[in-house]
Amino acid sequence: EPEVTQTPSHQVTQMGQEVILRCVPISNHLYFYWYRQILGQKVEFLVSFYNNEISEKSEIFDDQFSVERPDGSNFTLKIRSTKLEDSAMYFCASSSQGSSYNSPLHFGNGTRLTVT
Amino acid sequence: DQQVKQNSPSLSVQEGRISILNCDYTNSMFDYFLWYKKYPAEGPTFLISISSIKDKNEDGRFTVFLNKSAKHLSLHIVPSQPGDSAVYFCAASGDPSGGYQKVTFGTGTKLQVIP
Repeated sequence: EPEVTQTPSHQVTQMGQEVILRCVPISNHLYFYWYRQILGQKVEFLVSFYNNEISEKSEIFDDQFSVERPDGSNFTLKIRSTKLEDSAMYFCASSSQGSSYNSPLHFGNGTRLTVT
Repeated sequence: DQQVKQNSPSLSVQEGRISILNCDYTNSMFDYFLWYKKYPAEGPTFLISISSIKDKNEDGRFTVFLNKSAKHLSLHIVPSQPGDSAVYFCAASGDPSGGYQKVTFGTGTKLQVIP
């Protein structure tokens, strides 16, 4: 069964540094997402991406965050200047259609980001 | 702003018995509800969903019930198996103001099925 893959599985960075989290969505999917889960808290929506542009974003997704689909397969999340509170598990997801009854999200296994 | 609430952080059930996981929501604009299962060190995995036009959806051992008037849904697992031990997230989408792409998750219920 096709799956969403994320790299790296764990990223440690110093406060103020830039990080790029990488994802390869399922190949025939058209909608791409980033979610995050701070330890012990709920899974939170960050951003959705369709047709090479952001379709929706949450209040968490401020100017420090950006997403890109640099080629036909990768989908990246960049945090320009990391803060301690950015430490979380970041999940990439994709779906064949927008969030709907027939198109659930398929998640990757996540990247654990630790900001020191 | 907890629009999707799972008030039980954990649940223990004997193997073979029924597991009932509950979820409440506050946003009446939600029209699509899902359950995801999550094992440690893995991403959430889609389990089952239900549209707001239905009150029940069944898939094998898993059944989701929706009570729109009460803004409540539940997931029934019958019979429960040790491999079902995981964290279960209730989720919802469909609020136009929040965006059709956004799925709002609950805080999760950790299910332990005891052999």
